[in-house]
Amino acid sequence: QSALTQPASVSASPGQSVTISCTGTSSDVVIYNVVSWYQQHPGKAPKVVIYEGTKRPSGISNRFSGSQSGNTASLTISGLQAEDEADYYCCAHAGSRLHWVFGGGTGLTVL
Amino acid sequence: QVHLVESGGGVVQPGGSLGLSCAASGFTFSNYPMHWVRQAPGKGLEWVAFIQYDGSLTYYSESVQGRFTISRDNSKNTLYLQMSSLRSDDTAVYYCVQEYSSRRPFEFWGQGTLVTVSS
Repeated sequence: QSALTQPASVSASPGQSVTISCTGTSSDVVIYNVVSWYQQHPGKAPKVVIYEGTKRPSGISNRFSGSQSGNTASLTISGLQAEDEADYYCCAHAGSRLHWVFGGGTGLTVL
Repeated sequence: QVHLVESGGGVVQPGGSLGLSCAASGFTFSNYPMHWVRQAPGKGLEWVAFIQYDGSLTYYSESVQGRFTISRDNSKNTLYLQMSSLRSDDTAVYYCVQEYSSRRPFEFWGQGTLVTVSS
């Protein structure tokens, strides 16, 4: 059981938007603004798409955006494209005992 | 361009040991902290270990504490993970990951190396 909870799966049609949530579920995990999000295609290594909650690395489409409210972070992908179909993981620093924790991952299906 | 290449994966019996290496290129290796992250087959990502840029500080997940040792040789641009007392639940792809900064912890990933713990 991850200390960060994500929905197991989400789906939407091309051109639509989808939001994936990430909630800290224990007192050890307080999400500040250091949440990062990773995209992983099957058989490939993960790639960072959002860091510090809202920032995009160079080369990442502006269709990817991050936000946060309380102890929940969110990743929104707008204008969905077939290539966005992948697994997405959130990650946060969880203090001196757990250090870094990943969410359980969300599988995105582009219908 | 950052390039990370893991090696050393394979099949090992429960209770056995195995060492992984990660050859780094395309950046000044000695300036950056590094991590190992693993992914069991069909499962999610799990952070395993961290080492400071100069090797002065290391952290481990509770699941590997006392069994795994992370180290680095900055003269060889290489990161290591020595694993002992291996269990079946250590079976996973192990990724070497560069930390760009404390607020960008998992910036660049290698392609991973598969470790299978089985009799």
